[in-house]
Order: sequence, then structure tokens, then C-alpha cells
Amino acid sequence: EIQLQESGPGLVKPSQSLSLTCSVTGYTITSGYDWSWIRKFPGNKMEWMGYISYSGSTNYNPSLKSRISITRDTSKNQFFLQLNSVTTEDTATYYCARGAWEHDYWGQGVMVTVSS
Amino acid sequence: DIQMTQTPSSMPASLGERVTISCRASQGISNYLNWYQQKPDGTIKPLIYYTSNLQSGVPSRFSGSGSGTDYSLTISSLEPEDFAMYYCQQYDSSPNTFGAGTKLELK
Repeated sequence: EIQLQESGPGLVKPSQSLSLTCSVTGYTITSGYDWSWIRKFPGNKMEWMGYISYSGSTNYNPSLKSRISITRDTSKNQFFLQLNSVTTEDTATYYCARGAWEHDYWGQGVMVTVSS
Repeated sequence: DIQMTQTPSSMPASLGERVTISCRASQGISNYLNWYQQKPDGTIKPLIYYTSNLQSGVPSRFSGSGSGTDYSLTISSLEPEDFAMYYCQQYDSSPNTFGAGTKLELK
């Protein structure tokens, strides 16, 4: 069974970087598919942030392009999100998911609050 | 970016009722439209891909339809576990974008 699990700090200070990990089991991230980060804001708006492909290429939402980086550790079957210069508007629940366009497996989500 | 207008934002409904949620895109999206369900615990489950194709394990009471700019999700007879949030998502052009969600509530 394919499972994704997000982890990372639940509280980040403004202007700092947000770093999250998605651990994947049941499927090797280099075997195929793209691997996305998606966030849901308070108030329910959802935003696709970007993905890393099975080959390691990346594609980001232009709204975040200057602040976002998605990387991976193939030895651990994990991929990562880094979002720089966060503000309170980055407070959201962050999800990792399989697929760039059709997201067929999702993690449980991790809530991140940006606050001093 | 393509804007997805999802209606209604909330919908009170009864067990056994047939309900339809709508999604309108700001431009044609060639049936590249998915539907997701989010439970109160935050779990997100894919329901339908490419307008009308049920994901594996999704009950047949769920169906999707539409074309051009207008799409819909129908639940033919509500079960207790169906009361949740529902989102549409277009993937015709990048970045893929989501509707604002519909909260299906027990009347």
C-alpha cells in the first residue's frame, strides 16, 4: 500500500524558512510519477505549490517561484519542501501527494503556523 | 491562472438525498477536472479523475460529468460518511487550480 507522511515543525517564525519532509512507503519515488506539495489555507482555499518528478526535475507555481524549493533524498525515499521568507499568510496545512495533475495518494497533512 | 468557481459553498442535505455540486472554469478545460473529498480529520481522498472516471474503491453513488467550462459531481443517495468537504481541481493548464470547496452538511 502506498503511503505518504508529512513531517516538520508546526511553528515557524516570520521571515524564516519552512522545511517539511514527505516520507513515501510502498512506492519508490524514482520509479515514476511526479511528487507534489499542496497546501490548504484557513478558510479552505487550496493551492498547488510544485512538484519534483521521478527524474528529479522540478516545476513550481509561479506565485511561489522565488521562495520555493523541492528536493529529494532517493536513498530515504523522501522529498522535501523549503519555503523561504515566510509570512503569516503561509499559515496552512501542508500536504504531499503523488502526481503533478491527478493526485491519487495524499499524506495526512501537517499544520504549520507562522507566528512570532 | 484558470479560476474555478465552485457552488454552493455549503449545502445542507439529508441522508438518502441526491445532491449535485458544480464547478465552473474561467475558460475551457477540456475535461481535465478532478474531484476530491476531505474529511473532518483532514484526510483527502481522490474521487473522480478526468471529469467522470471513478478512482479505485470509490462507491458508484458518486458520479461526475461536464464539458467545456461546466462540471458537476453528483452523489445519488447520501450516506453518513459522505458529509465532508468537496473540491474540484483543473489540470488543463499549469498551475493546476482548485475550487473553493463545498461543505456538505447534515440537515
